[in-house]
Amino acid sequence: NAGVTQTPKFQVLKTGQSMTLQCAQDMNHNSMYWYRQDPGMGLRLIYYSASEGTTDKGEVPNGYNVSRLNKREFSLRLESAAPSQTSVYFCASSEGFGYPPQYFGPGTRLLVL
Amino acid sequence: SQQGEEDPQALSIQEGENATMNCSYKTSINNLQWYRQNSGRGLVHLILIRSNEREKHSGRLRVTLDTSKKSSSLLITASRAADTASYFCAIPIGNAGKSTFGDGTTLTVKP
Repeated sequence: NAGVTQTPKFQVLKTGQSMTLQCAQDMNHNSMYWYRQDPGMGLRLIYYSASEGTTDKGEVPNGYNVSRLNKREFSLRLESAAPSQTSVYFCASSEGFGYPPQYFGPGTRLLVL
Repeated sequence: SQQGEEDPQALSIQEGENATMNCSYKTSINNLQWYRQNSGRGLVHLILIRSNEREKHSGRLRVTLDTSKKSSSLLITASRAADTASYFCAIPIGNAGKSTFGDGTTLTVKP
């Protein structure tokens, strides 16, 4: 039982490049989340998925898209990276609709030059 | 904004002492969560306390919730160096399971 896994662990992009952050959970959880954390700050919700096939915007969705590929996987895509998107990105999951995030992945550190 | 605000921003204590951190929020909530984050790692969910609960315990952790004052506290008793981490409270947005986080309290426990 690996919990929540994220790939890659670290990525450097140039402004305007695109990339997809991958997240998977093996706990059969329904809800999955993408957060970003800037230095010295708390987490801000980017997107949320209550179940397979559904997604909902969070506090800071601009510049991002998501795909809930199946129950296990929830990916985050940056179509045209900007320096303001330099951050640490965390994926999380929880058992069901209405539950707060319970398990977090180790994070992806993204640097946009 | 429903964002919780932790206080103090930073706390430094000696091993064996108790550590108390507080969280204040602005609107009515159904529950409140506390998380720990070790440096460079993901968050770990510590405790969820519901609005009809006043106090909850988990090992050396004690969480209180005062809905009249819109505040919660996290007490870590007999602290250890391994408790050194940032602690965050999270407030739900509506009923969908989404949560907003404060900026956290950074706790340093000196051996």
